[in-house]
Amino acid sequence: EADIYQTPRYLVIGTGKKITLECSQTMGHDKMYWYQQDPGMELHLIHYSYGVNSTEKGDLSSESTVSRIRTEHFPLTLESARPSHTSQYLCASSEWGRGNIQYFGAGTRLSVL
Amino acid sequence: AQRVTQPEKLLSVFKGAPVELKCNYSYSGSPELFWYVQYSRQRLQLLLRHISRESIKGFTADLNKGETSFHLKKPFAQEEDSAMYYCALSAAGGGSNYKLTFGKGTLLTVNP
Repeated sequence: EADIYQTPRYLVIGTGKKITLECSQTMGHDKMYWYQQDPGMELHLIHYSYGVNSTEKGDLSSESTVSRIRTEHFPLTLESARPSHTSQYLCASSEWGRGNIQYFGAGTRLSVL
Repeated sequence: AQRVTQPEKLLSVFKGAPVELKCNYSYSGSPELFWYVQYSRQRLQLLLRHISRESIKGFTADLNKGETSFHLKKPFAQEEDSAMYYCALSAAGGGSNYKLTFGKGTLLTVNP
């Protein structure tokens, strides 16, 4: 079934650990995005990609990094997690030629202690 | 710069009452506007976009370029409409800019 998958759904980790949030889509979309969302607040774009080997920083500065080696996979990495990284991270994808309708994953809720 | 403003953080209405969720935007070019909805324990999903000019689940939204608004309306609210609603904007046609800018969201509660 065509979908966008995020793992893990919840992650509690200690300060200083390296973490990777996974995002994969089976929708055949070229464009993918990462958003950060604090509870009750708006979504902020932190990274986006228009295709393989294409990554750009979004509107909100983030210490995270991303890679796009395969079309369907867009992982986000934090080299050294800090409490300020505690948030929800949403992955989305969209396709060329359909305006900018974005499809979202279920999100990863990250808590850094 | 793109900006989306949703002035109401919370909106509470009774079942059967009309509901209007406000959205104003700021953008120098030609915008494409969207409403996304997030029901409890579900993922964020598209409700409607202005170029489709369609009614989804009884909701409609008209783009008013003069007032730079894209308010979401429904004549008779239902309890299942209770959710978080986000207004979003991107450049029309995409081009090199497929980024979405979201408002802060409005939590709609429909009381029985």
